[in-house]
Amino acid sequence: DVKVTQSSRYLVKRTGEKVFLECVQDMDHENMFWYRQDPGLGLRLIYFSYDVKMKEKGDIPEGYSVSREKKERFSLILESASTNQTSMYLCASSLSTSGRSSYEQYFGPGTRLTVT
Amino acid sequence: LAKTTQPISMDSYEGQEVNITCSHNNIATNDYITWYQQFPSQGPRFIIQGYKTKVTNEVASLFIPADRKSSTLSLPRVSLSDTAVYYCLVGDIGTGRRALTFGSGTRLQVQP
Repeated sequence: DVKVTQSSRYLVKRTGEKVFLECVQDMDHENMFWYRQDPGLGLRLIYFSYDVKMKEKGDIPEGYSVSREKKERFSLILESASTNQTSMYLCASSLSTSGRSSYEQYFGPGTRLTVT
Repeated sequence: LAKTTQPISMDSYEGQEVNITCSHNNIATNDYITWYQQFPSQGPRFIIQGYKTKVTNEVASLFIPADRKSSTLSLPRVSLSDTAVYYCLVGDIGTGRRALTFGSGTRLQVQP
């Protein structure tokens, strides 16, 4: 079974702090993604990566950055946390092949971040 | 990705069959239809995918009419544990570099 783990289930940070959210997958997937989920807004894509050291902006990248130094690890960084970044953050991974696998993303359990 | 429209919410009772319909009028020839399920406090998980007619697996069935402008996810004899949000996605599976767009989904509440 594919396993995607996230460093924390719950996190509380203060406004202005630099926040690191870590995600690790164990199935050698090329693609990794960061989403945030807010009530009534569904999942929104923040950043994604198709390869090591490669990143592309999603729909809502402002206020975030990412790092992918190793294939299995994808980090989301909040440079200066703000209260409007309080949300559920979900990491996902997938194979970089065509067919069903291009739609089969495996998600981690999520990190509920509260910024006060 | 083609735009999809789903009901915001549905209610059912244990033991009933639940059908969730998704409209995708602008579906393209090469597009497939994929459904995800998300339980509270968990990430979404892939449940079924199809192109036309009917697909069935251990979790659900997917019915797609000939014009493919809609699809129906069918959950047979639901239980309380089927309470979740269900997302319909439509798009070409011909590329592996894919970032998915999830809408708001359909929130299914199963009552005892």
